[in-house]
Amino acid sequence: GAVVSQHPSWVICKSGTSVKIECRSLDFQATTMFWYRQFPKQSLMLMATSNEGSKATYEQGVEKDKFLINHASLTLSTLTVTSAHPEDSSFYICSARDRVTGELFFGEGSRLTVL
Amino acid sequence: AQSVTQPDIHITVSEGASLELRCNYSYGATPYLFWYVQSPGQGLQLLLKYFSGDTLVQGIKGFEAEFKRSQSSFNLRKPSVHWSDAAEYFCAVGTNRDDKIIFGKGTRLHILP
Repeated sequence: GAVVSQHPSWVICKSGTSVKIECRSLDFQATTMFWYRQFPKQSLMLMATSNEGSKATYEQGVEKDKFLINHASLTLSTLTVTSAHPEDSSFYICSARDRVTGELFFGEGSRLTVL
Repeated sequence: AQSVTQPDIHITVSEGASLELRCNYSYGATPYLFWYVQSPGQGLQLLLKYFSGDTLVQGIKGFEAEFKRSQSSFNLRKPSVHWSDAAEYFCAVGTNRDDKIIFGKGTRLHILP
């Protein structure tokens, strides 16, 4: 079946550094990808909608300068957490929508820990 | 805007017993409804979805859900749970096939041996 790969699956960084998380659709093209954030034992909070070739649409309350999203191709979207701080530590999950079938597939998630 | 409520944070059932997880949505038109399962430290797996048609939807792993417009509900059911069903279950709602989906807060299912 269709697979969405996230890399890295976990990352530890120092406060003040930037971290990039990749989301790839491995066997389908995705014109739309979504980024979610999940705090421990909580729900998934939609951060932004990423459309190939255009600017991401951010949900209310999400800092677009803090969470940079790039969707440069039909199979890749990246989330960059800039100047990360401990409160940015979270589980980040992406999902990709198959441009042909409309099916939505989720990645395995990336756990970010900021020291 | 659409929203979804899962009133139960935790549910505990005995292995072999039946299960029902509640989900209520808020949306003015016919919603697109989903149930996902997340095992510890894992990504999300789609159990089933409702877009239109038959209001009783069959999913994977023996799960089913029923869309009740009059109650704005989409409850998940399973006639006999297995220990491997212990996980976090999320109900989600979308406004159309291609739009974003919003998740409920989740229900953690515990299984007693």
